[in-house]
Amino acid sequence: QKEVEQNSGPLSVPEGAIASLNCTYSDRVSQSFFWYRQYSGKSPELIMSIYSNGDKEDGRFTAQLNKASQYVSLLIRDSQPSDSATYLCAGAGSGGGADGLTFGKGTHLIIQP
Amino acid sequence: DVKVTQSSRYLVKRTGEKVFLECVQDMDHENMFWYRQDPGLGLRLIYFSYDVKMKEKGDIPEGYSVSREKKERFSLILESASTNQTSMYLCASSPGLFEQYFGPGTRLTVT
Repeated sequence: QKEVEQNSGPLSVPEGAIASLNCTYSDRVSQSFFWYRQYSGKSPELIMSIYSNGDKEDGRFTAQLNKASQYVSLLIRDSQPSDSATYLCAGAGSGGGADGLTFGKGTHLIIQP
Repeated sequence: DVKVTQSSRYLVKRTGEKVFLECVQDMDHENMFWYRQDPGLGLRLIYFSYDVKMKEKGDIPEGYSVSREKKERFSLILESASTNQTSMYLCASSPGLFEQYFGPGTRLTVT
């Protein structure tokens, strides 16, 4: 099993709707999780981190972690065209990320006006 | 705000050249990382460093080396550039654990 898996998309969502991005992971990367947003030609930008089971909300973004199912998700409420980007899910192992993060290949999100 | 800078946004080199990519962070972070990003392969870790003069291999270290002489600076070296090293190179830093912050990236083309 690949360590962090994401559906590559594209995922197309109408403006104003909720965009739901999903990620599954293996045991090796099970400690902490991060969502990065990457615009075309730009570097990844950290938007959310989550360390324990449950939900974490920050503005229009909600990260959800379910360690029993090895599943992490990102919800974007009231989606805007500016949210169109590739979203990378990343996990840290027992080293807490000090030995690097393992990234999924990203989901391409398109918000349709 | 965390600021990570990289010496060049775009770089074109010839096969066999020695290439230096520089990365500087201004937040006194302990850990620094070099990744490369390729279409269909995602981000892959080349090397990382958790202290001055310390370095550890990542998942794909072959053909690369690194140097960390000062805490704020982490250099990636391609000893003899090859065409399969054409890629986007991303430097990141971290205060110890968890979140990593990326520089703008260097798009390297080896011809």
